[in-house]
Amino acid sequence: NAGVTQTPKFRVLKTGQSMTLLCAQDMNHEYMYWYRQDPGMGLRLIHYSVGEGTTAKGEVPDGYNVSRLKKQNFLLGLESAAPSQTSVYFCASARDQGLETQYFGPGTRLLVL
Amino acid sequence: AQSVTQLDSHVSVSEGTPVLLRCNYSSSYSPSLFWYVQHPNKGLQLLLKYTSAATLVKGINGFEAEFKKSETSFHLTKPSAHMSDAAEYFCVVSDWGYQKVTFGIGTKLQVIP
Repeated sequence: NAGVTQTPKFRVLKTGQSMTLLCAQDMNHEYMYWYRQDPGMGLRLIHYSVGEGTTAKGEVPDGYNVSRLKKQNFLLGLESAAPSQTSVYFCASARDQGLETQYFGPGTRLLVL
Repeated sequence: AQSVTQLDSHVSVSEGTPVLLRCNYSSSYSPSLFWYVQHPNKGLQLLLKYTSAATLVKGINGFEAEFKKSETSFHLTKPSAHMSDAAEYFCVVSDWGYQKVTFGIGTKLQVIP
């Protein structure tokens, strides 16, 4: 099992550009999450999904959109990137709602110039 | 409202000496508490979890944490540090339904040979 994988690992964007981050899991998990991690701050939840075709807002959803068209994939989109979105993005998947069951991906470093 | 405070942003210990990473929390209910570890360029890994069964919680890799309600603390300890323990550690508080999860800002542990 590959677990949770994230694509790309690193990306540089210019302000106003768009991009999509891909999270894939091969554990047949229902729950998937997108977090951002910023220096001096803990992880903050952007969006999450409790199953294929569902999405919900987390703590910091503004400026991001998500889609869960297939159970194994959770996409995070930035329609018009801003420097404030420079961060490390982590995806996680889980078999149920418990935090302790979440498997985290290795992260995507995004730099917005 | 809930919050979590990691009292030290950096901790440096010599290999073979004890480790103490401090975490205080506030919560209006009986929370679940977690410690996670993040090695460089890796996702988060669960070290241990407290729910209410026992105040002293043992985790992986020789770590343990003690829940002290009177002090609202959940400090992480290890009797003897290894070089492989060098990483960043996050204290996390959650309500019972996992509707609200709050990560601390992290403590970077340096282990000196």
